[in-house]
Amino acid sequence: EAGVTQSPTHLIKTRGQQATLRCSPISGHTSVYWYQQALGLGLQFLLWYDEGEERNRGNFPPRFSGRQFPNYSSELNVNALELEDSALYLCASSLGWAETQYFGPGTRLLVL
Amino acid sequence: AQSVTQPDIHITVSEGASLELRCNYSYGATPYLFWYVQSPGQGLQLLLKYFSGDTLVQGIKGFEAEFKRSQSSFNLRKPSVHWSDAAEYFCAVGARSGGSYIPTFGRGTSLIVHP
Repeated sequence: EAGVTQSPTHLIKTRGQQATLRCSPISGHTSVYWYQQALGLGLQFLLWYDEGEERNRGNFPPRFSGRQFPNYSSELNVNALELEDSALYLCASSLGWAETQYFGPGTRLLVL
Repeated sequence: AQSVTQPDIHITVSEGASLELRCNYSYGATPYLFWYVQSPGQGLQLLLKYFSGDTLVQGIKGFEAEFKRSQSSFNLRKPSVHWSDAAEYFCAVGARSGGSYIPTFGRGTSLIVHP
């Protein structure tokens, strides 16, 4: 069974641009979580989608947004990129809200 | 709001030695508790989890963790470390707040294994 997949693996943008990151959950998983992993800061919770709706978001500005599609895949959009947005963005999926999260390999975003 | 503390940023052990990684959490009730491992350039892999029941939890790769309510701790242990265990380890707490679920991760502990 395929695990969580993310694309692209690497993304280079300049300040002010927009970035779109994609995630495909494990088949049958309805919950998708997004995290930012910046150097030395551990994982910071960004967004949680379940059954197509945003259920919760972490302490990030509104320029971090996303959506979940009918097939449960998800997109994370970061507008007006800033240098400090450079990080590894991890997506995870689970069967339900309190179930084990399975992580993808991440998208490494570099903002120049 | 819940929080997770991993007091050790780095830990160095010799191969074959025992290991204990510390994790303390703050939450009003019993949360869901997890340990994940992240190898260089990889995503996170679940080692073990505690939801309820037996407070000593067995995981993959020979790891175990013990939930101690009185100490608000969920320390990870391994009796004999292998060189391949060198990685970043994250403790995580999942807690309900109203109708929502909030996962919180610690900042991680980097394990270095000497031959």
